[in-house]
Amino acid sequence: EVQLVQSGAEVKKPGESLKISCEGSGYKFTHYWIAWVRQMPGKGLEWMGIIYPGDSDTRYSLSFQGQVSISVDKSIDTAYLQWSSLKASDTAMYFCARLTTTTSPFDPWGQGTLVTVSS
Amino acid sequence: SYVLTQPPSVSVAPGQTARIACAGDNIGSKNVHWYHQKPGQAPVLVVYADRDRPSGIPERFSGSNSGNTATLTISRVEAGDEADYYCQVWHSSDHRVFGGGTKLTVL
Repeated sequence: EVQLVQSGAEVKKPGESLKISCEGSGYKFTHYWIAWVRQMPGKGLEWMGIIYPGDSDTRYSLSFQGQVSISVDKSIDTAYLQWSSLKASDTAMYFCARLTTTTSPFDPWGQGTLVTVSS
Repeated sequence: SYVLTQPPSVSVAPGQTARIACAGDNIGSKNVHWYHQKPGQAPVLVVYADRDRPSGIPERFSGSNSGNTATLTISRVEAGDEADYYCQVWHSSDHRVFGGGTKLTVL
């Protein structure tokens, strides 16, 4: 069974750094793209960026370019989403999802990681 | 930037047919994917490439796409279909665009 398992909920203060993870299993991790999607409280879905674990080719939504960093450790089949300095407006649920190609649908999705940033 | 517009809400009685529209400029030239998301859960793909269903998704879910509107149709609606539904396309410049979402209420 193809699965994406994300790291647990985080509570952080503004200005702190954070790295959340997404571990793939049940398939060849390096052969599929991983995407990150944000969902702010009570709001819709926003695509943030994608990474190809095979060669670390990374592409960002213009809305998130420079705001976050996406990386991968293919030795442990894990992708990451990272912030160097969190803001209260980063409070959201973050999902990872798999894509077969850059234009294919997101399927499946991880269970989500809730990030809360509050002083 | 490319914009997908969905109605905020659709209501339907059990056993009836729900239609959820997704409007975008010349969306008929793109592949449209649909997801549902139940409260507290991750989104799930229900229709891809306009009209195909992933394994495990009931035949009651179907899609169409033409001109400036794509439509997700749910036949014989059940209480368990109540969820938020999102359309999504890939647009040039590596933009993966989501619609704003439609809350389906089963009366």
